[in-house]
Amino acid sequence: GESVGLHLPTLSVQEGDNSIINCAYSNSASDYFIWYKQESGKGPQFIIDIRSNMDKRQGQRVTVLLNKTVKHLSLQIAATQPGDSAVYFCAEGNQGGKLIFGQGTELSVKP
Amino acid sequence: DGGITQSPKYLFRKEGQNVTLSCEQNLNHDAMYWYRQDPGQGLRLIYYSQIVNDFQKGDIAEGYSVSREKKESFPLTVTSAQKNPTAFYLCASSIRGEGSYEQYFGPGTRLTVT
Repeated sequence: GESVGLHLPTLSVQEGDNSIINCAYSNSASDYFIWYKQESGKGPQFIIDIRSNMDKRQGQRVTVLLNKTVKHLSLQIAATQPGDSAVYFCAEGNQGGKLIFGQGTELSVKP
Repeated sequence: DGGITQSPKYLFRKEGQNVTLSCEQNLNHDAMYWYRQDPGQGLRLIYYSQIVNDFQKGDIAEGYSVSREKKESFPLTVTSAQKNPTAFYLCASSIRGEGSYEQYFGPGTRLTVT
């Protein structure tokens, strides 16, 4: 369904701590999941993706976990830095080629 | 330097006027997409095109039109029929329209209609 209201969920962390951003997806047939980072006034940037035949994938300082049983996706950021402050979106896709985006979570990193 | 360009970055129009937003990509991608983003919300799909000379409506196509005459270009027209046109518009492309692939985004155009 559509998001209502103008306030994103917010996660506030201390610099150097680990961050975990969660996302619930809607379609059990989705076979591709992706995390994007969006800084204010800019287009989303790719962070990491994962296919449904995997449950974990690691990148540089980021890890994505996929739990298909409960339709849950998470993004873990290690040693969070001020430059990580942004809005993070998860998206799910299937063979139709479209992505469905979540509402987003705003990550705020305190120095 | 490959990527997606959108122009202009900021656009102002009077109510009742049609306006066309530009999107160009030199990634040789087959598929292109237009999204609308409102404050504090996610991206909503307006139109998408999986191949040249073909396009489909997304979730919020009313009041918008597109064309895909060239592989690298996918302009979006916001017509006077769009009731709330003020928003941030994002164009994206992906290598193919079928199957699940990363979408690459442009920098966006912020449209303000008064």
